[in-house]
Amino acid sequence: SQTIHQWPATLVQPVGSPLSLECTVEGTSNPNLYWYRQAAGRGLQLLFYSVGIGQISSEVPQNLSASRPQDRQFILSSKKLLLSDSGFYLCAWSPPGSLYEQYFGPGTRLTVT
Amino acid sequence: AQTVTQSQPEMSVQEAETVTLSCTYDTSESDYYLFWYKQPPSRQMILVIRQEAYKQQNATENRFSVNFQKAAKSFSLKISDSQLGDAAMYFCAYDSGAGSYQLTFGKGTKLSVIP
Repeated sequence: SQTIHQWPATLVQPVGSPLSLECTVEGTSNPNLYWYRQAAGRGLQLLFYSVGIGQISSEVPQNLSASRPQDRQFILSSKKLLLSDSGFYLCAWSPPGSLYEQYFGPGTRLTVT
Repeated sequence: AQTVTQSQPEMSVQEAETVTLSCTYDTSESDYYLFWYKQPPSRQMILVIRQEAYKQQNATENRFSVNFQKAAKSFSLKISDSQLGDAAMYFCAYDSGAGSYQLTFGKGTKLSVIP
């Protein structure tokens, strides 16, 4: 069966510091991978998605970037965090090819102080 | 652009009773997919049920069922025999299925279950 991991679970970082959130998927090959952000009391906003190694599509221009160095690894980064980057970050995967339902990781709660 | 609207920010239901959560969407596509996700206090998103637009039969998963009205662009979720563990945020989501690689989510409905 497939599993998806995210770490860290929680993170408190000062403004201006760098960020690296990691997501890995087990039990599948060539998955589509996604990064979402969920602000308090709101729905999910798609930040990035990837259909293969090195292939990243950005949905929203912002202070963040994503990379996919390995088939089942997806990283969300920032060089300098802003207060507005605070939120709950969710990684998700779906089977390769056309979109099917997405399966979500446990999420990372990021607080920028 | 596709939009998904959940008009009920909060709802409550007595334990063992039935509750229906509403969702409407806007699209010009004829074939697409719809989903309901549950987000409990742990914050992990859990897929509850999916519906393909080309299927007229409403999807069911145990106590969860949908009422899919394609012409009205409505996709409601019915939870029967509500349990305390059903308390969560519920999100409706839309996917065009045409290689869009993007789910469009509603803003969610917070469901409380009263013992």
